[in-house]
Amino acid sequence: GENVEQHPSTLSVQEGDSAVIKCTYSDSASNYFPWYKQELGKRPQLIIDIRSNVGEKKDQRIAVTLNKTAKHFSLHITETQPEDSAVYFCAAVRAGGGADGLTFGKGTHLIIQP
Amino acid sequence: KAGVTQTPRYLIKTRGQQVTLSCSPISGHRSVSWYQQTPGQGLQFLFEYFSETQRNKGNFPGRFSGRQFSNSRSEMNVSTLELGDSALYLCASSLELGEQYFGPGTRLTVT
Repeated sequence: GENVEQHPSTLSVQEGDSAVIKCTYSDSASNYFPWYKQELGKRPQLIIDIRSNVGEKKDQRIAVTLNKTAKHFSLHITETQPEDSAVYFCAAVRAGGGADGLTFGKGTHLIIQP
Repeated sequence: KAGVTQTPRYLIKTRGQQVTLSCSPISGHRSVSWYQQTPGQGLQFLFEYFSETQRNKGNFPGRFSGRQFSNSRSEMNVSTLELGDSALYLCASSLELGEQYFGPGTRLTVT
């Protein structure tokens, strides 16, 4: 089955700086890569996703890049703000291939220092 | 559009008992997936239902089961509860392939 590794487990950055979280996956058939943000005591919220036919996707201060050859994808947050503090999870799945359960990374606790 | 809802939000059970959790997906979503979240293991996939059929199953023992009704609402059952079953149980509903939206979860504590 799929295996997703996520790094770092904790990331502390100064407010206004950029943050980068990296994930690798093992199943070359995976074709959908979402990122979720989970604040303390709340549900995971989908913040951005990318499909395997695209190399990069951007939504305001958030961007995701995908390298299918290296089986690697990353989340980039620019101009970080205090409200970005949360746990971020990457995931991978072979959507539509009869295996639609998301495999998640272990999460990155992002801390924005004022 | 209303989001995914789950009931109950909190539950305390004793070892050996069984429990049933409920999930109502976003209107129009036919796929419901269940996940277990614990500090040690993170988010782990339990199973997925589509049109009342279990399509996929994660690596959990047979004590964990589920079903889906014709209105897409889903229930998850855990029998013979163990201390290690204490977790946040999340369901997620999906319309398009891949995009899953989570409910608030049910916090299960087994004593």
